Amino acid sequence: GAGVSQSPSNKVTEKGKDVELRCDPISGHTALYWYRQRLGQGLEFLIYFQGNSAPDKSGLPSDRFSAERTGESVSTLTIQRTQQEDSAVYLCASSLSGGEPDTQYFGPGTRLTVL
Amino acid sequence: AQKITQTQPGMFVQEKEAVTLDCTYDTSDPSYGLFWYKQPSSGEMIFLIYQGSYDQQNATEGRYSLNFQKARKSANLVISASQLGDSAMYFCAMRENDYKLSFGAGTTVTVRA
Repeated sequence: GAGVSQSPSNKVTEKGKDVELRCDPISGHTALYWYRQRLGQGLEFLIYFQGNSAPDKSGLPSDRFSAERTGESVSTLTIQRTQQEDSAVYLCASSLSGGEPDTQYFGPGTRLTVL
Repeated sequence: AQKITQTQPGMFVQEKEAVTLDCTYDTSDPSYGLFWYKQPSSGEMIFLIYQGSYDQQNATEGRYSLNFQKARKSANLVISASQLGDSAMYFCAMRENDYKLSFGAGTTVTVRA
């Protein structure tokens, strides 16, 4: 079946502009996660959605970052007034969220470059 | 405090040989899960193997096996019979009581022909 998809694959923007990143999870997966990966580093958790529950936004680095999810489908991550330190790969993952191991499956990521 | 530590930034291995990637973790939760992911140069994260904290046996998936030493808090990945396609970055990750994964800094593996 289809995996997690993300768009765009690459985004170059100017400092101060807003950007929107999109994630389509695996069909039937109720949990959705966003992570950020800076160059040469591991992944940092940003936000988690589970069904209709309130999202866990504890990993969002600033109030310039926000995310939405429509039901159990598409999610968008929005970064307002982008800064150069926002340059990174943004990875989305989804999982079934039912019992162990609840493996997270990742999309190909969006590479964001802020000039 | 660092939850996942991968001390090997890079490793070289000869084709057809085995390689062990180190991972140590830090948690006080009795229930946790350990994951290994592979990230080729294309950037996608590919799930390889999982070990639950209560699992009695070491996990195995094809050429991948996990050497789980609970008392030492280590979960080393062993790749047997290395192939050129194994060249990639490998990440160890842990999930504790919640759902977030905490990742290590990764180890780059280069397989030589």
